[in-house]
Amino acid sequence: KQEVTQIPAALSVPEGENLVLNCSFTDSAIYNLQWFRQDPGKGLTSLLLIQSSQREQTSGRLNASLDKSSGRSTLYIAASQPGDSATYLCAVFMDSSYKLIFGSGTRLLVRP
Amino acid sequence: DAGVIQSPRHEVTEMGQEVTLRCKPISGHDYLFWYRQTMMRGLELLIYFNNNVPIDDSGMPEDRFSAKMPNASFSTLKIQPSEPRDSAVYFCASSQSPIEKLFFGSGTQLSVL
Repeated sequence: KQEVTQIPAALSVPEGENLVLNCSFTDSAIYNLQWFRQDPGKGLTSLLLIQSSQREQTSGRLNASLDKSSGRSTLYIAASQPGDSATYLCAVFMDSSYKLIFGSGTRLLVRP
Repeated sequence: DAGVIQSPRHEVTEMGQEVTLRCKPISGHDYLFWYRQTMMRGLELLIYFNNNVPIDDSGMPEDRFSAKMPNASFSTLKIQPSEPRDSAVYFCASSQSPIEKLFFGSGTQLSVL
């Protein structure tokens, strides 16, 4: 059974810092991996989607990498801003079950 | 496009009552998903539809839960009778295919007293 783990559960950094969020998964037979952002009381917004054949994807200050063989992905946020404060979730799409399996998220606070 | 639209945003009901949650997916998206989010269990997939047909309902917790998609622009999730342990945020999401980006609605915060 696929398990997706995100460490740390919470992170507090000063504005301007570069930071890395981690995601690990137990079953490497994934089709793709998505990183989402969730603001309090809101739905999830897909930030980046990496296909299993890809190593990384970039969007603005965000860069996501994928190492499928080791079961790991990272989300790099450059020059963090208070507006980046949110919960970040990763999710892997399982080809076998045709389902998206979510991690429990990392709650990020960027202090002004 | 207005995105995925869910209603109501909040629902407070008493145990034993019927609850109906509604969802309008993004036009052109063939897949619709219902998720439930709780602190204890995180995000769980309840059921998903492809072209209005339920494909996998293995995540539906009990027979008290049912979902329908009568047409491409509307889906409902019904709980009858509701119980306090059903309290959670219920999300609807849609996509053009399961392997593409998933778009979520704002969710329905359900409280069963």
